[in-house]
Amino acid sequence: ETGVTQSPTHLIKTRGQQVTLRCSSQSGHNTVSWYQQALGQGPQFIFQYYREEENGRGNFPPRFSGLQFPNYSSELNVNALELDDSALYLCASSGTGEYGYTFGSGTRLTVV
Amino acid sequence: QQPVQSPQAVILREGEDAVINCSSSKALYSVHWYRQKHGEAPVFLMILLKGGEQKGHEKISASFNEKKQQSSLYLTASQLSYSGTYFCGTPETHYGQNFVFGPGTRLSVLP
Repeated sequence: ETGVTQSPTHLIKTRGQQVTLRCSSQSGHNTVSWYQQALGQGPQFIFQYYREEENGRGNFPPRFSGLQFPNYSSELNVNALELDDSALYLCASSGTGEYGYTFGSGTRLTVV
Repeated sequence: QQPVQSPQAVILREGEDAVINCSSSKALYSVHWYRQKHGEAPVFLMILLKGGEQKGHEKISASFNEKKQQSSLYLTASQLSYSGTYFCGTPETHYGQNFVFGPGTRLSVLP
């Protein structure tokens, strides 16, 4: 079975720009969650999608938005980038009746 | 509100044991444990459910005290491969939504 894949692996953007990060969930998984992980900290929950609907949201501003597609892949969009958005963005998927989340390797976003 | 973990860091020699604790001021519906090695994705180790059910790694054990809202991860006879940062996590709702992680415990196993 394929795992969770994220693209791109690294990205450098300028403050004020917009960015789209992509995630392909593990085969058979219908739930995708996105996390922001700053250096030396635990992952912070951004939001979760279940069957194309947002199913929970953390304490992030509306400029963080997402989508889930019929094949359960997902996108994270961040508008008006700020320097503090620099972090590792992790995508995780899970399936009905399964336990635990499978994480992708992440996208390292640097905002300059 | 994210769980609290202790200790923040621990250094062991191969073969020694370690305990990592996780607690919350809110009700814990379930507790997950993950390990993240430097530069890699977190890897699922174990889930503890209400009622005592556990699912996960064969060589790692954990406990879950629902009343005290605490969980502990027990690493016995540690190996070099156990090095990494350990996170506990829990959903904020009964339906599994809004999953929050603790700040992590950095474990270093030395030869």
